[in-house]
Amino acid sequence: EVQLVETGGGLIHPGGSLRLSCAASGLIVSSSYMGWVRQAPGKGLESVSLIYSTGSTIYADSVKGRFTISRDDSKNTLYLEMNSLSVDDTAVYYCANLGGCGGGGCSSGPYFDHWGQGTLATVSS
Amino acid sequence: IQMTQSPSTLSASVGDRVTITCRASQSISSWLAWYQQKPGKAPNLLIYKASSLQSGVPSRFSGSGSGTEFTLTISSLQPDDFATYFCQHYHSYPLTFGGGTKVEIK
Repeated sequence: EVQLVETGGGLIHPGGSLRLSCAASGLIVSSSYMGWVRQAPGKGLESVSLIYSTGSTIYADSVKGRFTISRDDSKNTLYLEMNSLSVDDTAVYYCANLGGCGGGGCSSGPYFDHWGQGTLATVSS
Repeated sequence: IQMTQSPSTLSASVGDRVTITCRASQSISSWLAWYQQKPGKAPNLLIYKASSLQSGVPSRFSGSGSGTEFTLTISSLQPDDFATYFCQHYHSYPLTFGGGTKVEIK
């Protein structure tokens, strides 16, 4: 059974940085396709960043240059490093593994298969 | 690609047949997923590739459509189905979601 547990959220001032972690079990992060989705309070869903098994990464325009997705194979953990945070980045951040992917790409995806419970990042002065 | 869901809110009773519509701003073939989200919880994948039922999802849920217009149907609404539903395209990047449809108790 796939389980994803996010940690690292909290209250941060505008301009600050935060690193979110997603500890995985039931899958091998290094050979999986994974991503981060966020949801501002009372709002809809936004795909933030994806990482393929090859290490290729994709970012939403809203976070490009500020956020970095990465993984630690020894810890089987996915990360999202968030810099230059603004109030617009306030959201619950979910990690998820991607469906419809394999062989180095996502020819039949990606959609978001298994999700973690989320961690709240609040950017406020 | 913009995804537009309708209605934004739907009031229904247990046993009702419910249909939610998702429209894409351009053709996305069948590259569409549907999710259910309950308050305070993560979304849960229901349908992928427009009509493929995710493992473990009750058969009262079904999806249809292709191109730009898609529907999610709940054949007989159950108490556990009162939630918000989102569509998501994966035709190309950036991936985008619809604004959501909240299914409320009538």
